Amino acid sequence: EPEVTQTPSHQVTQMGQEVILRCVPISNHLYFYWYRQILGQKVEFLVSFYNNEISEKSEIFDDQFSVERPDGSNFTLKIRSTKLEDSAMYFCASSIATGRGETQYFGPGTRLLVL
Amino acid sequence: AQSVTQLGSHVSVSEGALVLLRCNYSSSVPPYLFWYVQYPNQGLQLLLKYTSAATLVKGINGFEAEFKKSETSFHLTKPSAHMSDAAEYFCAVTTGSGSARQLTFGSGTQLTVLP
Repeated sequence: EPEVTQTPSHQVTQMGQEVILRCVPISNHLYFYWYRQILGQKVEFLVSFYNNEISEKSEIFDDQFSVERPDGSNFTLKIRSTKLEDSAMYFCASSIATGRGETQYFGPGTRLLVL
Repeated sequence: AQSVTQLGSHVSVSEGALVLLRCNYSSSVPPYLFWYVQYPNQGLQLLLKYTSAATLVKGINGFEAEFKKSETSFHLTKPSAHMSDAAEYFCAVTTGSGSARQLTFGSGTQLTVLP
């Protein structure tokens, strides 16, 4: 069964460094998402992406964040200058279509630790 | 704005006992509701979803949920718990108005199954 994959599974970085989290969505999916979960807190929406542009973004998704689909398979989240509070589990998701009842398929996550 | 509230951050049941995980929603429009499960060190997996077709929804692994508009609830149940059901469970509702809908999650319920 097709699945969303994410790399790396764990990333440790120093405050102020740039990190790129990578995701390979399910191949025939058209809509892509990033969520994050700070330890002990809710899963929070960051950004959605369709047709090579951001569809929606949350208040969390400030100028330090960017997303890109550099080729036909990868979907990346870049954090330009990491802060301690960026430490979290980051989940990528994809869906074949939009619509309020559409299922989003999640990857296993990347655990980011900012020191 | 749509939101979900999960009552009980931790639930413990004995193996073979009924599982009941509570989720209440708040929505100004008919909601589309989801239950996801997260096993340790894994991503979020869809258990079931309500998209207005039927109020009693059956999902994977013997779970089901009933949409009750009068109670604004979408509680998750399983008649007989198994050790393998130990995981964190998230209720979610579709929100957003852009071309790619986002999920808004509850705070999660950690299910422990006792032998």
